Amino acid sequence: KQEVTQIPAALSVPEGENLVLNCSFTDSAIYNLQWFRQDPGKGLTSLLLIQSSQREQTSGRLNASLDKSSGRSTLYIAASQPGDSATYLCAVRRETSGSRLTFGEGTQLTVNP
Amino acid sequence: EPEVTQTPSHQVTQMGQEVILRCVPISNHLYFYWYRQILGQKVEFLVSFYNNEISEKSEIFDDQFSVERPDGSNFTLKIRSTKLEDSAMYFCASSKLATPYNEQFFGPGTRLTVL
Repeated sequence: KQEVTQIPAALSVPEGENLVLNCSFTDSAIYNLQWFRQDPGKGLTSLLLIQSSQREQTSGRLNASLDKSSGRSTLYIAASQPGDSATYLCAVRRETSGSRLTFGEGTQLTVNP
Repeated sequence: EPEVTQTPSHQVTQMGQEVILRCVPISNHLYFYWYRQILGQKVEFLVSFYNNEISEKSEIFDDQFSVERPDGSNFTLKIRSTKLEDSAMYFCASSKLATPYNEQFFGPGTRLTVL
């Protein structure tokens, strides 16, 4: 069974800081990993999808890396802003479980002005 | 930019009642999903739907649940007889193709409260 864990559960940083969010998964046989942003009481916004054959994916100030063999992904946020405050979720799509995504519990990020 | 929409945004119902949650996936997408998130817990997969049939379902998706694509645009989740533990945020998602690498796009969710 795939387990997805995100560390830390919560993070508070001053504006402008660069930060790293971590995601680990127990089954390395994955097709892809998606990072999402969730604002309180809202839906999930897809930030990045990184395929199993890729090592990195970038979008603006966001950079996601994937080390499939060790079961780890990181989301790097450069020059954080108060508007980045949200919960960040990672989710993996396993090779053996069809199209379902398995989610981590998320990291709640607060960027202080 | 195209997006997944869901109605209603909040539904309150009495235990034992039937509810239907509605979703309009992105128009050229072919794969549809329902997930749920109980307050304070992880997002959990319920079901995926392709070519007018269920392609995969989780152990949560028991006989109380059903899905339907009644027309060319809507995708619905029905809960036949709601229980207190069905209270959650329900998310609809869609993806363009059936390939393994496809990105899933989520709607804003329907908050279901069962009293």
